[in-house]
Amino acid sequence: SQQGEEDPQALSIQEGENATMNCSYKTSINNLQWYRQNSGRGLVHLILIRSNEREKHSGRLRVTLDTSKKSSSLLITASRAADTASYFCATGGNTPLVFGKGTRLSVIA
Amino acid sequence: EAQVTQNPRYLITVTGKKLTVTCSQNMNHEYMSWYRQDPGLGLRQIYYSMNVEVTDKGDVPEGYKVSRKEKRNFPLILESPSPNQTSLYFCASSATGQLGFTGELFFGEGSRLTVL
Repeated sequence: SQQGEEDPQALSIQEGENATMNCSYKTSINNLQWYRQNSGRGLVHLILIRSNEREKHSGRLRVTLDTSKKSSSLLITASRAADTASYFCATGGNTPLVFGKGTRLSVIA
Repeated sequence: EAQVTQNPRYLITVTGKKLTVTCSQNMNHEYMSWYRQDPGLGLRQIYYSMNVEVTDKGDVPEGYKVSRKEKRNFPLILESPSPNQTSLYFCASSATGQLGFTGELFFGEGSRLTVL
C-alpha cells in the first residue's frame, strides 16, 4: 500500500500563527489528498492536488506537492482555535486511498 | 443532503455475538470502504468495494465480512467479535473515474464498537 506519513505527529501553535504539516509517501501517485478530523468524528476532505500540479490554494489552505521528493505540505495560515483537529494525507492512484497516522494540531487561543 | 450514514453509532457487545454495522450512502457512488481507527495506528482499511457484487480485502480484513448487494449499502459484519476488534469504525464512499481512485472520500460519522 502507498501509505502517507505525516510529520510532525503533533503541533501546538498560538492563534494567528501559521501551521505547516508535511506528508511523505513511497510509491508513485496520481493525486494526494488532505483530510481533517475533529475529535472522534468522520474525516472531511480539504483539498486534492494532482500529480501534475505543484501548488494549490483553498481559502487559508495552501498545499504543495513535490513528486521528485515524494512529499507534500499543508499550510494553514492565520490559524484559529477552530482549526484544532487531526490532519491526514492520503495518496491516490490505481489502488484505494491509504491514510497516514495524522498530525494532531492544537491552536491555542 | 449528500451523506454517508452508519448505524449504530455506539455499541457495546460481548465476545462471539454476531453483529452488523450498516452503511448507506445517497450519492450514487460506486466505491465504498470500511476503515478502523485505533490510537497510534491511524486509519486502516478493512474492505472496499468498487461496485455492486465486487469486494476486495484491505489491509486488515481478518475477522470481518462485507457484502455489496445494492449500490447504496455496504454493511460490515463481525461474525464472532473479539476484544481486539474494539475500535472506531468508519464507512466512506467516493465516485471513481477512469484514472482510478481519484475522487474525494465522504465519511460517515463513525461507529464506536466495544467488545467485552
